[in-house]
Amino acid sequence: EPEVTQTPSHQVTQMGQEVILRCVPISNHLYFYWYRQILGQKVEFLVSFYNNEISEKSEIFDDQFSVERPDGSNFTLKIRSTKLEDSAMYFCASRLTAVTYGYTFGSGTRLTVV
Amino acid sequence: ILNVEQSPQSLHVQEGDSTNFTCSFPSSNFYALHWYRWETAKSPEALFVMTLNGDEKKKGRISATLNTKEGYSYLYIKGSQPEDSATYLCAFAPGWVQGAQKLVFGQGTRLTINP
Repeated sequence: EPEVTQTPSHQVTQMGQEVILRCVPISNHLYFYWYRQILGQKVEFLVSFYNNEISEKSEIFDDQFSVERPDGSNFTLKIRSTKLEDSAMYFCASRLTAVTYGYTFGSGTRLTVV
Repeated sequence: ILNVEQSPQSLHVQEGDSTNFTCSFPSSNFYALHWYRWETAKSPEALFVMTLNGDEKKKGRISATLNTKEGYSYLYIKGSQPEDSATYLCAFAPGWVQGAQKLVFGQGTRLTINP
Protein backbone atom coordinates (compact mmCIF):
# COMPACT_ATOMS: atom_id res chain seq x y z
CA GLU A 1 0.00 0.00 0.00
CA PRO A 2 1.54 3.37 -0.99
CA GLU A 3 2.46 5.62 1.94
CA VAL A 4 3.12 9.25 2.66
CA THR A 5 6.53 9.47 4.34
CA GLN A 6 7.51 12.23 6.74
CA THR A 7 10.93 13.01 8.17
CA PRO A 8 12.08 13.50 10.82
CA SER A 9 9.59 11.88 13.20
CA HIS A 10 10.73 14.17 16.03
CA GLN A 11 12.54 17.49 15.95
CA VAL A 12 13.60 19.73 18.79
CA THR A 13 14.67 23.25 17.89
CA GLN A 14 15.58 26.47 19.62
CA MET A 15 13.15 29.37 19.44
CA GLY A 16 14.05 31.61 16.50
CA GLN A 17 15.67 28.83 14.47
CA GLU A 18 14.51 27.75 11.03
CA VAL A 19 13.12 24.26 10.55
CA ILE A 20 12.24 22.31 7.45
CA LEU A 21 9.79 19.44 7.68
CA ARG A 22 9.96 16.98 4.83
CA CYS A 23 7.32 14.85 3.19
CA VAL A 24 7.26 12.45 0.27
CA PRO A 25 3.66 12.20 -0.94
CA ILE A 26 2.28 9.33 -3.00
CA SER A 27 3.79 9.63 -6.45
CA ASN A 28 0.66 9.98 -8.60
CA HIS A 29 -1.25 12.23 -6.19
CA LEU A 30 -2.07 15.76 -7.28
CA TYR A 31 -3.09 17.61 -4.11
CA PHE A 32 -0.83 18.18 -1.13
CA TYR A 33 -1.51 19.53 2.35
CA TRP A 34 0.00 20.40 5.68
CA TYR A 35 -2.01 20.16 8.88
CA ARG A 36 -0.95 20.40 12.49
CA GLN A 37 -2.26 19.40 15.89
CA ILE A 38 -1.22 21.27 18.99
CA LEU A 39 -1.44 18.97 22.00
CA GLY A 40 -5.02 18.73 23.25
CA GLN A 41 -6.45 20.69 20.33
CA LYS A 42 -8.11 19.83 17.03
CA VAL A 43 -6.19 19.02 13.87
CA GLU A 44 -6.03 22.30 11.96
CA PHE A 45 -5.44 23.12 8.32
CA LEU A 46 -2.33 25.06 7.34
CA VAL A 47 -2.02 25.01 3.55
CA SER A 48 -3.06 23.20 0.38
CA PHE A 49 -0.92 22.95 -2.75
CA TYR A 50 -1.90 22.03 -6.28
CA ASN A 51 -0.32 22.48 -9.70
CA ASN A 52 2.86 23.86 -8.13
CA GLU A 53 1.20 26.65 -6.24
CA ILE A 54 -0.65 27.31 -3.00
CA SER A 55 -4.41 26.80 -3.41
CA GLU A 56 -5.45 28.00 0.01
CA LYS A 57 -3.78 28.89 3.29
CA SER A 58 -5.12 29.44 6.77
CA GLU A 59 -4.61 32.45 9.02
CA ILE A 60 -1.93 30.46 10.84
CA PHE A 61 0.13 30.23 7.65
CA ASP A 62 1.73 33.65 7.86
CA ASP A 63 4.99 34.96 6.35
CA GLN A 64 7.00 32.72 8.67
CA PHE A 65 5.71 29.66 6.82
CA SER A 66 6.45 28.51 3.29
CA VAL A 67 6.00 25.36 1.24
CA GLU A 68 7.89 23.95 -1.69
CA ARG A 69 7.72 21.00 -4.03
CA PRO A 70 11.20 21.40 -5.47
CA ASP A 71 11.73 18.20 -7.41
CA GLY A 72 8.35 16.59 -8.09
CA SER A 73 8.67 14.14 -5.22
CA ASN A 74 9.39 16.02 -1.99
CA PHE A 75 6.99 18.47 -0.36
CA THR A 76 8.48 20.62 2.38
CA LEU A 77 7.18 22.97 5.05
CA LYS A 78 9.60 25.62 6.26
CA ILE A 79 9.14 27.66 9.40
CA ARG A 80 11.51 30.58 9.17
CA SER A 81 11.80 31.64 12.80
CA THR A 82 10.14 29.20 15.17
CA LYS A 83 8.11 30.29 18.18
CA LEU A 84 7.13 28.31 21.26
CA GLU A 85 3.55 28.15 19.99
CA ASP A 86 4.70 26.35 16.82
CA SER A 87 5.24 23.22 18.93
CA ALA A 88 2.83 20.66 17.49
CA MET A 89 2.51 17.47 15.48
CA TYR A 90 2.72 18.39 11.79
CA PHE A 91 1.01 16.13 9.26
CA CYS A 92 1.57 16.00 5.55
CA ALA A 93 -1.22 14.56 3.39
CA SER A 94 -1.87 13.94 -0.27
CA ARG A 95 -4.80 12.89 -2.40
CA LEU A 96 -5.26 11.73 -5.94
CA THR A 97 -8.23 13.84 -6.84
CA ALA A 98 -11.21 15.59 -5.29
CA VAL A 99 -14.62 14.51 -4.07
CA THR A 100 -14.71 10.81 -3.32
CA TYR A 101 -11.14 10.19 -2.23
CA GLY A 102 -9.95 10.51 1.31
CA TYR A 103 -6.58 11.90 2.16
CA THR A 104 -3.54 9.74 2.74
CA PHE A 105 -1.75 11.11 5.78
CA GLY A 106 1.83 10.67 6.86
CA SER A 107 2.56 9.64 10.44
CA GLY A 108 3.63 13.14 11.40
CA THR A 109 6.62 15.11 12.66
CA ARG A 110 6.52 16.12 16.31
CA LEU A 111 8.11 19.56 16.50
CA THR A 112 9.17 20.86 19.90
CA VAL A 113 10.36 24.46 20.15
CA VAL A 114 12.34 25.22 23.31
CA ILE B 1 -15.65 30.39 11.70
CA LEU B 2 -16.41 26.80 10.73
CA ASN B 3 -16.90 24.46 13.68
CA VAL B 4 -17.12 20.69 13.75
CA GLU B 5 -18.07 18.97 16.99
CA GLN B 6 -17.88 15.28 17.87
CA SER B 7 -19.50 13.51 20.76
CA PRO B 8 -18.73 11.88 23.01
CA GLN B 9 -15.07 12.81 23.45
CA SER B 10 -14.28 9.36 24.78
CA LEU B 11 -16.08 6.08 25.05
CA HIS B 12 -15.36 2.75 26.73
CA VAL B 13 -17.21 -0.23 25.29
CA GLN B 14 -17.17 -3.93 26.11
CA GLU B 15 -15.89 -6.27 23.42
CA GLY B 16 -18.81 -7.53 21.35
CA ASP B 17 -21.04 -4.53 22.04
CA SER B 18 -22.10 -2.14 19.31
CA THR B 19 -21.57 1.59 19.58
CA ASN B 20 -22.07 4.82 17.71
CA PHE B 21 -20.92 8.41 17.88
CA THR B 22 -21.84 11.71 16.33
CA CYS B 23 -20.28 14.44 14.22
CA SER B 24 -22.01 17.82 13.86
CA PHE B 25 -20.99 20.20 11.10
CA PRO B 26 -22.27 23.34 9.34
CA SER B 27 -25.34 22.62 7.22
CA SER B 28 -24.46 25.31 4.67
CA ASN B 29 -21.72 25.29 2.03
CA PHE B 30 -21.38 21.53 2.33
CA TYR B 31 -19.06 19.67 -0.03
CA ALA B 32 -18.08 16.44 1.72
CA LEU B 33 -17.78 14.76 5.10
CA HIS B 34 -14.81 12.51 5.87
CA TRP B 35 -14.29 9.94 8.62
CA TYR B 36 -10.80 8.82 9.66
CA ARG B 37 -9.56 6.19 12.06
CA TRP B 38 -6.41 7.15 13.97
CA GLU B 39 -4.46 4.67 16.02
CA THR B 40 -1.80 5.90 18.43
CA ALA B 41 1.61 6.46 16.78
CA LYS B 42 0.16 5.81 13.31
CA SER B 43 -1.25 8.05 10.60
CA PRO B 44 -4.98 8.77 10.29
CA GLU B 45 -6.57 6.31 7.88
CA ALA B 46 -9.52 7.23 5.65
CA LEU B 47 -12.70 5.27 6.40
CA PHE B 48 -15.39 7.07 4.40
CA VAL B 49 -15.95 10.12 2.26
CA MET B 50 -19.61 11.07 1.93
CA THR B 51 -20.98 13.73 -0.34
CA LEU B 52 -24.75 13.25 -0.73
CA ASN B 53 -27.53 13.80 1.80
CA GLY B 54 -28.76 10.38 2.92
CA ASP B 55 -25.49 8.65 2.01
CA GLU B 56 -24.78 5.46 3.89
CA LYS B 57 -21.36 3.81 3.66
CA LYS B 58 -20.20 0.49 5.06
CA LYS B 59 -16.80 -1.15 5.54
CA GLY B 60 -16.99 -4.46 7.35
CA ARG B 61 -18.47 -3.82 10.80
CA ILE B 62 -18.23 -0.04 10.49
CA SER B 63 -20.87 2.08 8.80
CA ALA B 64 -21.71 5.77 8.56
CA THR B 65 -24.72 7.89 7.69
CA LEU B 66 -24.99 11.49 6.56
CA ASN B 67 -27.63 14.19 6.99
CA THR B 68 -26.47 17.38 5.30
CA LYS B 69 -29.74 19.28 5.87
CA GLU B 70 -29.39 19.13 9.64
CA GLY B 71 -25.60 18.87 9.69
CA TYR B 72 -24.80 15.56 11.34
CA SER B 73 -23.20 12.20 10.62
CA TYR B 74 -23.20 9.03 12.70
CA LEU B 75 -20.50 6.38 12.77
CA TYR B 76 -21.59 2.90 13.89
CA ILE B 77 -19.40 0.00 14.94
CA LYS B 78 -21.12 -3.37 15.24
CA GLY B 79 -19.70 -6.05 17.51
CA SER B 80 -16.69 -4.04 18.74
CA GLN B 81 -13.30 -5.76 18.76
CA PRO B 82 -10.10 -4.71 20.60
CA GLU B 83 -8.56 -3.66 17.27
CA ASP B 84 -11.31 -1.03 16.92
CA SER B 85 -9.69 0.94 19.74
CA ALA B 86 -8.62 4.23 18.14
CA THR B 87 -9.58 7.87 17.82
CA TYR B 88 -12.25 8.46 15.18
CA LEU B 89 -12.05 11.84 13.48
CA CYS B 90 -14.67 13.45 11.31
CA ALA B 91 -13.79 16.30 8.97
CA PHE B 92 -15.98 18.70 7.02
CA ALA B 93 -15.01 19.94 3.56
CA PRO B 94 -16.59 23.34 2.84
CA GLY B 95 -17.93 23.89 -0.63
CA TRP B 96 -16.33 27.09 -1.74
CA VAL B 97 -12.86 25.76 -2.51
CA GLN B 98 -13.22 22.94 -4.96
CA GLY B 99 -10.42 20.67 -5.99
CA ALA B 100 -7.91 21.27 -3.23
CA GLN B 101 -10.66 20.93 -0.61
CA LYS B 102 -9.33 21.66 2.85
CA LEU B 103 -10.78 19.79 5.82
CA VAL B 104 -12.08 21.19 9.12
CA PHE B 105 -11.70 18.55 11.82
CA GLY B 106 -13.65 17.72 14.92
CA GLN B 107 -11.83 16.95 18.15
CA GLY B 108 -12.28 13.20 17.71
CA THR B 109 -13.94 10.44 19.71
CA ARG B 110 -11.46 8.23 21.53
CA LEU B 111 -12.85 4.68 21.59
CA THR B 112 -11.48 2.03 23.95
CA ILE B 113 -12.71 -1.55 23.68
CA ASN B 114 -12.46 -3.51 26.94
CA PRO B 115 -11.80 -7.24 26.43
